[in-house]
Amino acid sequence: SQQGEEDPQALSIQEGENATMNCSYKTSINNLQWYRQNSGRGLVHLILIRSNEREKHSGRLRVTLDTSKKSSSLLITASRAADTASYFCAQGAQKLVFGQGTRLTINP
Amino acid sequence: EAGVAQSPRYKIIEKRQSVAFWCNPISGHATLYWYQQILGQGPKLLIQFQNNGVVDDSQLPKDRFSAERLKGVDSTLKIQPAKLEDSAVYLCASSLERFRATQYFGPGTRLLVL
Repeated sequence: SQQGEEDPQALSIQEGENATMNCSYKTSINNLQWYRQNSGRGLVHLILIRSNEREKHSGRLRVTLDTSKKSSSLLITASRAADTASYFCAQGAQKLVFGQGTRLTINP
Repeated sequence: EAGVAQSPRYKIIEKRQSVAFWCNPISGHATLYWYQQILGQGPKLLIQFQNNGVVDDSQLPKDRFSAERLKGVDSTLKIQPAKLEDSAVYLCASSLERFRATQYFGPGTRLLVL
């Protein structure tokens, strides 16, 4: 299976702290994507990193990719209450395969 | 730009009944996906359309699930008869193209089978 695995499964931090989530996958990839899902909502695309990229930034988000270790990480800096959500990594060129996600809770 | 629309948002049925979900993708998006997301898990692809043709339905339980995308725009997903284990959120997504494209998700339909 190409399924990615996110780690940790759940993360609870104080507002203002940084949050780091990790994703491991099994097969070679063309790109890896991160999505956010707020409770009761659909998924929102956050960022896509290609296999020839090592790091990518978007606002308070920083994604790294290590193809030798088949892993990626998502860092959210200066977290806010609105960042409370589940975060998923997904891989695949034609068919996206999602991991089980990391449930992030930001405490005020 | 309008997002992906889905209806209904919630549905409660009894087992062995049938149910249908509707999806309207973003205008101009050729590729449409239906996912099943069971509580606590990531979305699992059920079926993928390219225009009005099926690209991948390998994980669709074809004995009870069916889907169509007439005219390459709107799509419906049907379950008949429903089982308890079909309780999940059904997500529709669309993308501009088939390969390496960002997918845009609708809000989902939450199904509870009693």
